[in-house]
Amino acid sequence: EADIYQTPRYLVIGTGKKITLECSQTMGHDKMYWYQQDPGMELHLIHYSYGVNSTEKGDLSSESTVSRIRTEHFPLTLESARPSHTSQYLCASSEGGNYGYTFGSGTRLTVV
Amino acid sequence: AQTVTQSQPEMSVQEAETVTLSCTYDTSESDYYLFWYKQPPSRQMILVIRQEAYKQQNATENRFSVNFQKAAKSFSLKISDSQLGDAAMYFCAYRSVKLIFGTGTRLQVFP
Repeated sequence: EADIYQTPRYLVIGTGKKITLECSQTMGHDKMYWYQQDPGMELHLIHYSYGVNSTEKGDLSSESTVSRIRTEHFPLTLESARPSHTSQYLCASSEGGNYGYTFGSGTRLTVV
Repeated sequence: AQTVTQSQPEMSVQEAETVTLSCTYDTSESDYYLFWYKQPPSRQMILVIRQEAYKQQNATENRFSVNFQKAAKSFSLKISDSQLGDAAMYFCAYRSVKLIFGTGTRLQVFP
């Protein structure tokens, strides 16, 4: 079944650690997105990609980085995690045009 | 820039009753798409319903329907015969190039 997968589902790490949040989709979508969801549940676009080797920063400034080496894979990396990075991170993908986004289950990150 | 406003941070409804969630948006474009997404607690965000701006007919998906007023830039979601499983955060979203979300409405359903 076509879907979008995020791992890990929950992560608690110490300050200063490097982490990578994984996101993979099996739908062949060219467009992929990372959103940060704050405790008030508001969604902020932090990165997006319209295809392989194409990445752009979103509307909210983020210290994270992304890569898109394969169509199906769009990982997000934090080189040195801080408590301010504590949040839920949602990955999504889409076809173009009038289609909505398909979301993963999210990664809830806590930096202590 | 396009904006999406959901003025109701929280709503509640009795099981089997009807509830309407409000959404307004601002855009200068004529061709766009509107969506309602549902995010249950600790679960995946899913698409509830979508509306093409060029269609005057309001979209309907089972118990979910929208009231799309293009001139007023309003896009409300009506949930009929509410069920306990409808309890969730509901996000209104606008898409021309990228998807822009409102701040969400938390819906509680009481037995």
